[in-house]
Amino acid sequence: EVQLVESGGGLVQPGGSLRLSCAASGFTFSTFWMHWVRQAPGQGLVWVARMNLDGSNTIYADSVEGRFTISRDNAKNTLYLQMNSLRPEDTALYYCARYGGTSLPGFDIWGQGTMVTVSS
Amino acid sequence: EIVLTQSPATLSLSPGERATLSCRASQSVSIYLAWYQQKSGQAPRLLIYDASNRATGIPARFSGSGSGTDFTLTISSLEPEDFAVYYCQQRANSYTFGQGTKLEIK
Repeated sequence: EVQLVESGGGLVQPGGSLRLSCAASGFTFSTFWMHWVRQAPGQGLVWVARMNLDGSNTIYADSVEGRFTISRDNAKNTLYLQMNSLRPEDTALYYCARYGGTSLPGFDIWGQGTMVTVSS
Repeated sequence: EIVLTQSPATLSLSPGERATLSCRASQSVSIYLAWYQQKSGQAPRLLIYDASNRATGIPARFSGSGSGTDFTLTISSLEPEDFAVYYCQQRANSYTFGQGTKLEIK
């Protein structure tokens, strides 16, 4: 079964750090670009970051640029999001999503998300 | 940043009716637009990619159209399971989502 499972969320104080993980299974992880998308409680989807196949090309939303770092370990089939200098407005459910590639250009597989709460 | 504006914010219809959802981009995204469905408590599901192509396993009652700045998602005859929130998303310049349209039962 093709699956993405996020972990690492939790409660953190403003200014703190957290690292999210996304474990992939059921497909060849190293052949897909990967993304993080977040959703604040009761709100819409917001794209956060993207990484290409080997990690050599990354882009970020303006709201997280310089604070968040996306990375991947293809040997471990895992995507990461290092989040530093966290703010209350970063509170959200964080999804990892697979980009289907040229044959299916969209986010075709999603995890169930991991909740991050930034509060004192 | 390309802003996507979806309308209406909420659409109230009955099963069997036709639903028309709109997504307008602040600048041209060519055909690089996708649509997603999100049900309460679930992750989003890809419905349409590149404006008009149905993703794997998506029923034929879902169709997409448009190019440039104006796009439409049409559900030809609503089934009870179609009542959800729908998002458009562009990939022409980085990535952004619209704010969503809630499709609710009338």
